[in-house]
Amino acid sequence: EVQLVESGGGLVKPGGSLRLSCAASGFDFKNVWMSWVRQAPGKGLEWVGRTRREVDGGATEYAAPVKGRFTISRDDSKNTVFLQMNSLKTEDTALYYCTTEGEVWGQGTMVTVSS
Amino acid sequence: DVVMTQSPLSLPVTLGQPASISCRSSQSLVYSDGNTYLYWFHQRPGQSPRRLIYKVSNRDSGVPDRFSGSGSGTDFTLKISRVEAEDVGVYYCMQGTYWPPGYTFGQGTKLEIK
Repeated sequence: EVQLVESGGGLVKPGGSLRLSCAASGFDFKNVWMSWVRQAPGKGLEWVGRTRREVDGGATEYAAPVKGRFTISRDDSKNTVFLQMNSLKTEDTALYYCTTEGEVWGQGTMVTVSS
Repeated sequence: DVVMTQSPLSLPVTLGQPASISCRSSQSLVYSDGNTYLYWFHQRPGQSPRRLIYKVSNRDSGVPDRFSGSGSGTDFTLKISRVEAEDVGVYYCMQGTYWPPGYTFGQGTKLEIK
């Protein structure tokens, strides 16, 4: 079964850090570009960033609101993609999804940034 | 940056009737390779999004044929030929042509049953 499972969400204070993980199964992970998308409570979808395949250089790209604060990485040996979030702001509060560039989605992990 | 604008934002529809959602981009979504990277997603309440359509008009696997996508350049449409109860939720268009800014979603259109 094709599956993505996110983990690592939680409550963090402004300025803090959090690392999200997304474990993939059921497909050839190393040959897939992976994205993170977030959804603030009651709001729409917002793309956060993506990582290309290692064979494509493994480059990462980020949305303007998170560039310089968030870092995406991947471990193809573990079929896992990560989202390291630093200098968190209250406006980063959202449900964070990982996705295979839109085709397969996880269930999301909630991040709450609050003092 | 490219801006995606959907209309309407709220769409009450009677069961069995057709529905149509418009998505307009501020710039043409035709990429240099000739493809148009416009996608449609559906998100039911409390669920993760599901992709329905990729590259304007291609239905994803398992998507009922009552869903169809069309359009070109800056104007795109998602049509549902006969709305069923399971079609409720929010529909999003998304562009993947311009990098930066990266994938850009429309505001979403909430479909509800009258």
